[in-house]
Amino acid sequence: AQRVTQPEKLLSVFKGAPVELKCNYSYSGSPELFWYVQYSRQRLQLLLRHISRESIKGFTADLNKGETSFHLKKPFAQEEDSAMYYCALGGATNKLIFGTGTLLAVQP
Amino acid sequence: DGGITQSPKYLFRKEGQNVTLSCEQNLNHDAMYWYRQDPGQGLRLIYYSQIVNDFQKGDIAEGYSVSREKKESFPLTVTSAQKNPTAFYLCASSSDRVTGELFFGEGSRLTVL
Repeated sequence: AQRVTQPEKLLSVFKGAPVELKCNYSYSGSPELFWYVQYSRQRLQLLLRHISRESIKGFTADLNKGETSFHLKKPFAQEEDSAMYYCALGGATNKLIFGTGTLLAVQP
Repeated sequence: DGGITQSPKYLFRKEGQNVTLSCEQNLNHDAMYWYRQDPGQGLRLIYYSQIVNDFQKGDIAEGYSVSREKKESFPLTVTSAQKNPTAFYLCASSSDRVTGELFFGEGSRLTVL
């Protein structure tokens, strides 16, 4: 079965501090991992996907198959990063399963 | 204006009534999805459709039904059999057969009185 775990409901950091949003997954096949973000009063949107191996808005995420993790990182948090972040898992089943989400609050 | 349109934004229903939520997309996407969003539970997949006239149950399909008669439309019916229907419902579409980027609507909030 596909499962995504985001252990933190809320992560509060100060502006300029490093950020790491945790995501662990369970999947027997070849996983496709994504991070989605929902800013206040905006639609849920894709932030990045593991196959792209790119940095978006300063965020990066590396797929670690050994630890079954896909943590989202940013070296210096900005106030505009405050949002709800969801980790999502896809694969050959053609459906995307989301975690419970982590609310990131960046304090000034 | 391209994208996903959900209607209505807010809906109130009495217990025992069925209600249908509309989802329309003009992105020419093959795949469409319905998720339910509850506080602390994230997004849970209700139904999804990879192609017209075909759809599959997600993780919480009980008490819901869908149809996919047209590529651009994927309505969700919340039936009276759904035990806890008060929630925020999100529709999404994707252009990839194998999971790709999902484009989401603004959502519909259903309240059962």
